[in-house]
Amino acid sequence: AQSVTQPDIHITVSEGASLELRCNYSYGATPYLFWYVQSPGQGLQLLLKYFSGDTLVQGIKGFEAEFKRSQSSFNLRKPSVHWSDAAEYFCAVGGTGRRALTFGSGTRLQVQP
Amino acid sequence: DAGVIQSPRHEVTEMGQEVTLRCKPISGHDYLFWYRQTMMRGLELLIYFNNNVPIDDSGMPEDRFSAKMPNASFSNLKIQPSEPRDSAVYFCASSLSSENTEAFFGQGTRLTVV
Repeated sequence: AQSVTQPDIHITVSEGASLELRCNYSYGATPYLFWYVQSPGQGLQLLLKYFSGDTLVQGIKGFEAEFKRSQSSFNLRKPSVHWSDAAEYFCAVGGTGRRALTFGSGTRLQVQP
Repeated sequence: DAGVIQSPRHEVTEMGQEVTLRCKPISGHDYLFWYRQTMMRGLELLIYFNNNVPIDDSGMPEDRFSAKMPNASFSNLKIQPSEPRDSAVYFCASSLSSENTEAFFGQGTRLTVV
């Protein structure tokens, strides 16, 4: 069965500081990996996705993520966080044969001025 | 396209009543997913459809929950009878048939059962 672990429930960073959100997945085949962001009262918006090829993927709003197969990880990074990045971030896994995504429990990001 | 459209945005109902949540997927999308989000359990897949046919409903909590997709542009999720523990945000999402594509989410329906 597929699963996603986001070990950090809540992270606080200062505005302008760098950010890394951790994600580990379990999937029996080649995974498709996603990061979504959810602002309060809103739906989920895709930040970036990995299907194949270059293991470093760029997304919207200056985010990037790196797929590391050996570590079963897909960590999200941003070099300089803005106050508007405060939200909840979800990592998700899917793949061939199973189109529905499995989501992690989310990491809530707080940004301090 | 207006994206995935869900209605209503908010629903408050009394325990025992029937609740119907509605979803209009993005035109041309072949897959439709229903998720439920709660503090305790996070985002859970309830059911998903491909070309209007249910593919996996193993996440539907119990017989009180049912979902249909009568055509490519509409799906509904019904809870009958509703219970307070059904209170959650219910999301609908849709995606294209090609594998290397993401799911697009609606704004969700916040259901409160009192």
